[in-house]
Amino acid sequence: NAGVTQTPKFQVLKTGQSMTLQCAQDMNHEYMSWYRQDPGMGLRLIHYSVGAGITDQGEVPNGYNVSRSTTEDFPLRLLSAAPSQTSVYFCASSYSTLLEQFFGPGTRLTVL
Amino acid sequence: GIQVEQSPPDLILQEGANSTLRCNFSDSVNNLQWFHQNPWGQLINLFYIPSGTKQNGRLSATTVATERYSLLYISSSQTTDSGVYFCAVISNSGYALNFGKGTSLLVTP
Repeated sequence: NAGVTQTPKFQVLKTGQSMTLQCAQDMNHEYMSWYRQDPGMGLRLIHYSVGAGITDQGEVPNGYNVSRSTTEDFPLRLLSAAPSQTSVYFCASSYSTLLEQFFGPGTRLTVL
Repeated sequence: GIQVEQSPPDLILQEGANSTLRCNFSDSVNNLQWFHQNPWGQLINLFYIPSGTKQNGRLSATTVATERYSLLYISSSQTTDSGVYFCAVISNSGYALNFGKGTSLLVTP
C-alpha cells in the first residue's frame, strides 16, 4: 500500500493563479480531510469528507474548494491564490473519525 | 471548540535522557493521537490512544480520559527523536482532529 499520497511536493504560485493539490489513498478509507500548517502552529482543518459525494467545511475554508467523486481521491482547489495561503498542506484519511488517521507527506505552497 | 494545550513548548535534552510531554484537553474525547513531525516535515503516527496505556519501544503513552490529559514518555532519547511532537484530539461531538501547538524537542549528542 502506498498509503496517503500528495502531489506536488512543492509549488510556487503568483497571486491570482489557480491550482489543484492532489490527494489519494489506497486504503479504502471513507473519511478524508485537508489541513494547513503555518509556522509555529499546529494543523488547522480546511475541509473534510465522510464519503464519496459528501464534503463539509472545517475551521479555515475560505479560498478553498473541494469535491469527492471517488473514495480514493480528494483534491483541494485554490481558485485565486493569495499570499495568506502560503502554507504547508496535509491530507489525511481514516476509516472513520473515531479511528486512527494517517497523513500524507504534505505540499509546501508559496504564493508570491 | 475543544482546546488542546501541550507542555512544555520547548525541550532540550542530552542523548540518553528521559522526558515526559503532556497534553491537556478541555472536553471529552473519542480520539486522541500523538504525532512526531520530523525535521523534514513528515507527520509520523506514534500512538492512537483515546484511553489507557500503550508502549512502542522507547516510547509509551498514557491517556486518562476522565481527567482530560495524556502523557507521552520518551526514554533513553536519541538525536533522531528531535522534532515537534503534536497531540491531536476529536471531541465526542466533533468530526476532525484538533491539534495542540506542539512540543519542540531537541536532543543533543
